[in-house]
Amino acid sequence: SQQGEEDPQALSIQEGENATMNCSYKTSINNLQWYRQNSGRGLVHLILIRSNEREKHSGRLRVTLDTSKKSSSLLITASRAADTASYFCATGEGGGADGLTFGKGTHLIIQP
Amino acid sequence: EAQVTQNPRYLITVTGKKLTVTCSQNMNHEYMSWYRQDPGLGLRQIYYSMNVEVTDKGDVPEGYKVSRKEKRNFPLILESPSPNQTSLYFCASSLGGTAHEQFFGPGTRLTVL
Repeated sequence: SQQGEEDPQALSIQEGENATMNCSYKTSINNLQWYRQNSGRGLVHLILIRSNEREKHSGRLRVTLDTSKKSSSLLITASRAADTASYFCATGEGGGADGLTFGKGTHLIIQP
Repeated sequence: EAQVTQNPRYLITVTGKKLTVTCSQNMNHEYMSWYRQDPGLGLRQIYYSMNVEVTDKGDVPEGYKVSRKEKRNFPLILESPSPNQTSLYFCASSLGGTAHEQFFGPGTRLTVL
């Protein structure tokens, strides 16, 4: 099955700066989702963008999707220390009769 | 409160001793799945279930069994655990498959000696 790959693997920025993470995938998708995971804990859903959408916002989060390049980006604006976490993209191919495939994640550290 | 629960949260066992990790959701979700998370490998799907009595293999099903006899429960069974199954396991559920937001449980950290 396909797999999303996040880039960079790790990112360290100062509080207040913007953080951008990228995700690339290999084949056609139905949707792409972003999740956050605080150390060793369960994943928390951030945003879902469907293949016919190009951009989506949720609070300080902005997600873009470029299906021609098979890539997505997650932008976190005005970062806070509490944003320190690992971020994963996940892709779904169909309406649900399959599995969700996760990338290996970007570890984001916000320096106070 | 809408949630996915897993038990136990931590388990240390020995090779070959059968174990079950339970997963339960209270959101009436049709879709449930199991993942394992390993350093450097990210999350990999083990099994998923579209509904009661319907289960399918994910990317890494070897050494695992599941069952879905009730909508709310989706236990993960390791008939004969081996050290390479030492991992962090997550159960997740969603309203209708991968086209929807997944709700994750808190995780079960399993160590097989």
